[in-house]
Parts: sequence; structure tokens; C-alpha cells
Amino acid sequence: DTEVTQTPKHLVMGMTNKKSLKCEQHMGHRAMYWYKQKAKKPPELMFVYSYEKLSINESVPSRFSPECPNSSLLNLHLHALQPEDSALYLCASSQVPGMNTEAFFGQGTRLTVV
Amino acid sequence: ELKVEQNPLFLSMQEGKNYTIYCNYSTTSDRLYWYRQDPGKSLESLFVLLSNGAVKQEGRLMASLDTKARLSTLHITAAVHDLSATYFCAVDNNSNYQLIWGAGTKLIIKP
Repeated sequence: DTEVTQTPKHLVMGMTNKKSLKCEQHMGHRAMYWYKQKAKKPPELMFVYSYEKLSINESVPSRFSPECPNSSLLNLHLHALQPEDSALYLCASSQVPGMNTEAFFGQGTRLTVV
Repeated sequence: ELKVEQNPLFLSMQEGKNYTIYCNYSTTSDRLYWYRQDPGKSLESLFVLLSNGAVKQEGRLMASLDTKARLSTLHITAAVHDLSATYFCAVDNNSNYQLIWGAGTKLIIKP
């Protein structure tokens, strides 16, 4: 199994809503990532979890709240988002933090904030 | 600070032609990756280059790495329409194991 699975694939939410993005991998990878990608731009790193602990937060606003319940799951909780937060949100995983950063990406969640 | 530059940023070419995408980076790194992204889709890992002189090939794509020149190339041979996509290179930031991404090259291959 070489897949990273993200749900939902599409999400439309209002600025007062609370929603969550989910990501799952069963490759035994111990690093998991959230990226944000705007159209025609490279992905921007948001968060890195290493062995289920948050190791990198790239100065992301607090309206984005990550959670790693176990080594296979990664969530991104969304609250009070702004229209400019509309983007493709990508989850990724890699084998061992710091040893092999080849990242395998999920299919992404296309988020629209209205 | 590690910076990654790709060129060209946009490339339109005819089927059957050869071309090369370049990825330059500013400081020492041990690892370089090439990814492909189709419109509205996720990122697909194409190549992992781990050492100086590494060369990898998959079908019509060949990637190489020169760590002394801090340069990687992605060469397309006899392009076909199915290779139309955006190609990103990403370089391992040795200090904190993050990936630093190039801006991407949008490749359009016309029949």
C-alpha cells in the first residue's frame, strides 16, 4: 500500500464554520506533513509531524489546527477561515524524519471558503 | 538560506522534440527530487537523486544531478502529449530536513 488518502476531496465552508480535513497512510511512515498550494504555485509547507509530535509549524495562523492522533492519521482542523485560505490542501508522508524526505502525497482537498 | 530556481517556467513544445528543464539550487544539499503535477491533481514523485552524478530514467524522462554545480536536469526525449504537466524540483534543506521547492515548469506538448 503506497497510498496517502485524504478526505474530503472537495470542501466548501463559510467563514464561521468549523471543519476538519483528514489524512491516512499505512506505509509505516513516521513523518507527516500538511501543505497548502495555491494555483500555479509550488506547495507551501504548513506543519510537520515527526513521530506523532509537531516538529515544524511554519508560522501558520491559529485558525488552522493540526492533530496527529496516531502514526497513521493526520487531521487539520479549520475554524473561522478567510476567503484567501481557499486552496488545495495536500497531506504527505515520508519514511523516517530527517533520513529520507521523499514525500508521498495524497490527492488533496480542494477547499473553498465563502 | 537555500533557494531553488527552475527554468524555464513555461515550455510549449511539439511532440517528438527533445528538451531540458533545469533546476539550480544555492547551497549544498544531499537530495533532490522531481515531482509531476497534472492540473487540479496532486504531486507524483518521479525521481529521487541522492548523489553526485546520479542519473535516473523512466520512459521518456531522464533526471541527473551534479552536486558540485548544484544543478539538476530533467530531460524529455521525443515528447508525447501525455507528458504535459507541471514539473517541480525540490531540494532537501539539510539543516531541518524540509523540502525547498522550485517554482515549477509548466510543460505543454502539442500534437
